[in-house]
Amino acid sequence: DTAVSQTPKYLVTQMGNDKSIKCEQNLGHDTMYWYKQDSKKFLKIMFSYNNKELIINETVPNRFSPKSPDKAHLNLHINSLELGDSAVYFCASRAGGGTNEKLFFGSGTQLSVL
Amino acid sequence: KQEVTQIPAALSVPEGENLVLNCSFTDSAIYNLQWFRQDPGKGLTSLLLIQSSQREQTSGRLNASLDKSSGRSTLYIAASQPGDSATYLCAVGGFKTIFGAGTRLFVKA
Repeated sequence: DTAVSQTPKYLVTQMGNDKSIKCEQNLGHDTMYWYKQDSKKFLKIMFSYNNKELIINETVPNRFSPKSPDKAHLNLHINSLELGDSAVYFCASRAGGGTNEKLFFGSGTQLSVL
Repeated sequence: KQEVTQIPAALSVPEGENLVLNCSFTDSAIYNLQWFRQDPGKGLTSLLLIQSSQREQTSGRLNASLDKSSGRSTLYIAASQPGDSATYLCAVGGFKTIFGAGTRLFVKA
């Protein structure tokens, strides 16, 4: 059983299109995240939700809109895709805010904007 | 603002060597520090998590230490193997978890 699963694994699309990436975790965790890993492999946090509530919203263009229908799901919708959006997007989750709670990652979605 | 730095950026060692990867952070008000492994084209696998009140954690050939006062953590890998080749990332946990840029390790057979 995959603990944190993302779909699709690969996404190739044209500039200007709108696309979504889905994430689901079956760990019963309260908190979920979206991270972006750029071409230099640097991971940056984008958003975090706790029990469906947005708690972290980094300086991300408002073309990016996360949605959490329930605490097991956190989707990422991107409008009007740009070349610079090409990256690997990772979903992650953790149980809560305690000091002993590990982050668990999905396998990533490689987005290529042409 | 928390900044996390990992040194070296890349490392190549012969099989069997013991090695140390370094991670430093600027703000000592952290919840925990977590070391991850990332294989090419794959997600991140958690290796060790050290809580802010702890000094070290061990798992098999891996040992991670934490010195909050100096803003440093090290990941020690004993008797390295070619299968250890990957990128190792440290992540400092607070309200946000902030990642270093990683150390790319290559272990030669």
